[in-house]
Amino acid sequence: GQGVEQPAKLMSVEGTFARVNCTYSTSGFNGLSWYQQREGQAPVFLSYVVLDGLKDSGHFSTFLSRSNGYSYLLLTELQIKDSASYLCAVRAGGYKVVFGSGTRLLVSP
Amino acid sequence: NAGVIQTPRHKVTGKGQEATLWCEPISGHSAVFWYRQTIVQGLEFLTYFRNQAPIDDSGMPKERFSAQMPNQSHSTLKIQSTQPQDSAVYLCASSLPGLGYEQYFGPGTRLTVL
Repeated sequence: GQGVEQPAKLMSVEGTFARVNCTYSTSGFNGLSWYQQREGQAPVFLSYVVLDGLKDSGHFSTFLSRSNGYSYLLLTELQIKDSASYLCAVRAGGYKVVFGSGTRLLVSP
Repeated sequence: NAGVIQTPRHKVTGKGQEATLWCEPISGHSAVFWYRQTIVQGLEFLTYFRNQAPIDDSGMPKERFSAQMPNQSHSTLKIQSTQPQDSAVYLCASSLPGLGYEQYFGPGTRLTVL
C-alpha cells in the first residue's frame, strides 16, 4: 500500500525551532510537498523537494532522503502565528498525491 | 486573482439526497484535483483532471460519486444518495500544467449529511 506518516502533534517555544517529520512508503516517488493549514482554512503550499538534501528557504527549510523515505520541514525563529497543521504530500506514481494526516504544531510564548 | 472558488461553502442534505459541489479553478490552471478531508481520515485524494479530461479517479467511491469538468472554468463533484459517512470538507485544488506539486486550494465545501 501507500502511506505517508506524520506525528500528530508537536510543541515548541516562540523564538526556537521546530522540526516536522514525515516518513513515506509509496509505490513511486515524484517529489514531496509541504503545506500549511490553519484551522478552518485550506492548505497553503510551502515547499517542494525532489532531490536529496536540505533546501533552505529562510523561515522554512526542507530536507529529503529518498533512500530512507524521510523528509522534514524545519521552521526556525518560531512565531506564535506559526501554530498550524503542517501536511506532507507525496506524489506517488502517476498523478496521485498522497497526503499525511498532518502535524499540529503549537508554538507557546 | 480570485483564487480557487468553491460553492457552496456549506451544504446540509438529508440522507439519500443528492449533493452537487462546484469548483472554479484559477484561470490558466489546467490541472484540477478534488479531495475530501475529515478529522479521522485526513486529506484523501478523490480525482484529477488535466485539460478537462479525467486522468485519475482512483480515490472516488465508485457507486455514488462522480466528477465532471465540462469546461476549463469549472468542475463539479456530484454525490448521489448521500450518506452520513459522506460528511466531510470537500476541497478543490488547481495547479499549472506540470506543477501538480504546487497546488492552490479553494476554501472547501463543508457537507453535512443528516
